[in-house]
Amino acid sequence: ILNVEQSPQSLHVQEGDSTNFTCSFPSSNFYALHWYRWETAKSPEALFVMTLNGDEKKKGRISATLNTKEGYSYLYIKGSQPEDSATYLCASLNYGGATNKLIFGTGTLLAVQP
Amino acid sequence: NAGVTQTPKFQVLKTGQSMTLQCAQDMNHEYMSWYRQDPGMGLRLIHYSVGAGITDQGEVPNGYNVSRSTTEDFPLRLLSAAPSQTSVYFCASSYPKGPQHFGDGTRLSIL
Repeated sequence: ILNVEQSPQSLHVQEGDSTNFTCSFPSSNFYALHWYRWETAKSPEALFVMTLNGDEKKKGRISATLNTKEGYSYLYIKGSQPEDSATYLCASLNYGGATNKLIFGTGTLLAVQP
Repeated sequence: NAGVTQTPKFQVLKTGQSMTLQCAQDMNHEYMSWYRQDPGMGLRLIHYSVGAGITDQGEVPNGYNVSRSTTEDFPLRLLSAAPSQTSVYFCASSYPKGPQHFGDGTRLSIL
């Protein structure tokens, strides 16, 4: 079973702070890295899917980078707002045998205080 | 466009009972998956399917069965419920290698 790890487990910041989280994943047989935003009492929503080494993606104040050679991705939030409070999940899609499995990390819980 | 629909939203079972969690999607996605969410464990893959008639095991398949007779439906069956299967279950669908679209979840309690 592949191991996808996220750090930190939780993060408390003040409104206006910029922050970042880390996702590490197996670099062998790598195909894609996903980021999701998961608000309490809702279902996860996709932020980014990245496949190429050096990929950078941006959606508003949120951006992500990908390093497939060393097996890590960073998610950045610029000027955090209370509505950014959520759990941020990453998931790695690696080739394995005849089919592929998307394996999730345990997430980083972000709390943004006004 | 309904997206991914899961039923029921809540269910309480007694140990040893069987039940089926339903999942349907109307986006013509080839891939469908079942996950369970437990505190501190994130989302763990139970079973998944890459197309009608094809299923495979995920990280935690024991105690669960699936089938995929149509593109739209991917039911998850608990043959003999155990307290360890108390969890929140999410179904998801996607195009190959695309982002997952999740249902609203089913909260299952086994007494």
